[in-house]
Amino acid sequence: EPEVTQTPSHQVTQMGQEVILRCVPISNHLYFYWYRQILGQKVEFLVSFYNNEISEKSEIFDDQFSVERPDGSNFTLKIRSTKLEDSAMYFCASSEGGSEWGETQYFGPGTRLLVL
Amino acid sequence: SQQGEEDPQALSIQEGENATMNCSYKTSINNLQWYRQNSGRGLVHLILIRSNEREKHSGRLRVTLDTSKKSSSLLITASRAADTASYFCATLPAINFGNEKLTFGTGTRLTIIP
Repeated sequence: EPEVTQTPSHQVTQMGQEVILRCVPISNHLYFYWYRQILGQKVEFLVSFYNNEISEKSEIFDDQFSVERPDGSNFTLKIRSTKLEDSAMYFCASSEGGSEWGETQYFGPGTRLLVL
Repeated sequence: SQQGEEDPQALSIQEGENATMNCSYKTSINNLQWYRQNSGRGLVHLILIRSNEREKHSGRLRVTLDTSKKSSSLLITASRAADTASYFCATLPAINFGNEKLTFGTGTRLTIIP
């Protein structure tokens, strides 16, 4: 069964450093997303991406964040200058999209980011 | 309360019993999805119910949706130890056609006692 994959599974970085989180969505999916979950809190939407551009972003997704689909398979989230409060589990998701009812979003296993 | 709130926050039952979790939300939705998360792991999709549907089944799972009350329930029948996890509802607001931003609830922590 196709699945979303993410690398790395864990990332430890120093405050102020740049990190890139990588995702490979399900191959025939058209919509891609990043969510995050701070320990013990809700899963929060960060950004959605369709047709090679951001379709929606949350207040969390400020200028420190960017997303890219550098080739036909990868989808990346870059945090330019990490802060302590960026420590969280980051989930990538993808969906087929296009239905007026919305489609199932399939999530990857997550990247646990720890900023020291 | 916020969009997507589950209750109870925690539930412990004996193996073999049925578990029911509820989710309430505030805005009009296109669909509601239930996910499971084992401790510190990824989100596993369980079931999606559209706003024009009232009930769906998948194996031991039964989901109901009452749009007039803005609430949903997830029933797991004949629970197993492997069902121990956190369960989240996530709603797709009706205004978000084409963008599909999910809003997650706070989750119910389910513990199945062998």
